[in-house]
Amino acid sequence: EAQVTQNPRYLITVTGKKLTVTCSQNMNHEYMSWYRQDPGLGLRQIYYSMNVEVTDKGDVPEGYKVSRKEKRNFPLILESPSPNQTSLYFCASSGRTDTQYFGPGTRLTVL
Amino acid sequence: AQKVTQAQTEISVVEKEDVTLDCVYETRDTTYYLFWYKQPPSGELVFLIRRNSFDEQNEISGRYSWNFQKSTSSFNFTITASQVVDSAVYFCALSESWSNYQLIWGAGTKLIIKP
Repeated sequence: EAQVTQNPRYLITVTGKKLTVTCSQNMNHEYMSWYRQDPGLGLRQIYYSMNVEVTDKGDVPEGYKVSRKEKRNFPLILESPSPNQTSLYFCASSGRTDTQYFGPGTRLTVL
Repeated sequence: AQKVTQAQTEISVVEKEDVTLDCVYETRDTTYYLFWYKQPPSGELVFLIRRNSFDEQNEISGRYSWNFQKSTSSFNFTITASQVVDSAVYFCALSESWSNYQLIWGAGTKLIIKP
């Protein structure tokens, strides 16, 4: 089954404690993205990747890092999380002309 | 600059009523794509439709229909004979890339269908 998986689905952490949210797709897609969703703001793109070792900033990259060492994986790293990064995070992937496939979301709370 | 505006923050109707969700977009490109996604209370994003800028034909899929008008930069979504299961947040989005890897999202419209 074609899918995008994210882990963990829910995470409560404290300010400053490094965390990684994993994202994996099984569709051999070139493009992968991370979005955050906040009430009243819709989704905003954090980072995207056009292929292995090719990443670029989206609209709200501050406080986040990503890497794309393998085509299927695109982890999101928060080196020093802060409360303003409390949000719902979505990973997405797409092929050259596909629409985007979204993961189930990760709800992050930073205390 | 690209922008998507969903002016209706929340809409509440009684079951079986028709309801239209508005979406207005801004872009300088002549080639672009428009999308609608549904986010039910469970939180996942469900793709509903993609429309490219060269195809202004209206689309109907069961109780769902979409009205794309380039002259007014609008891509409105109508649910006919609404059902409680249609209750969700609906997002309109815009992409200016062929590969659709960058989406600009509206703020969403929360649709409440009362039994």
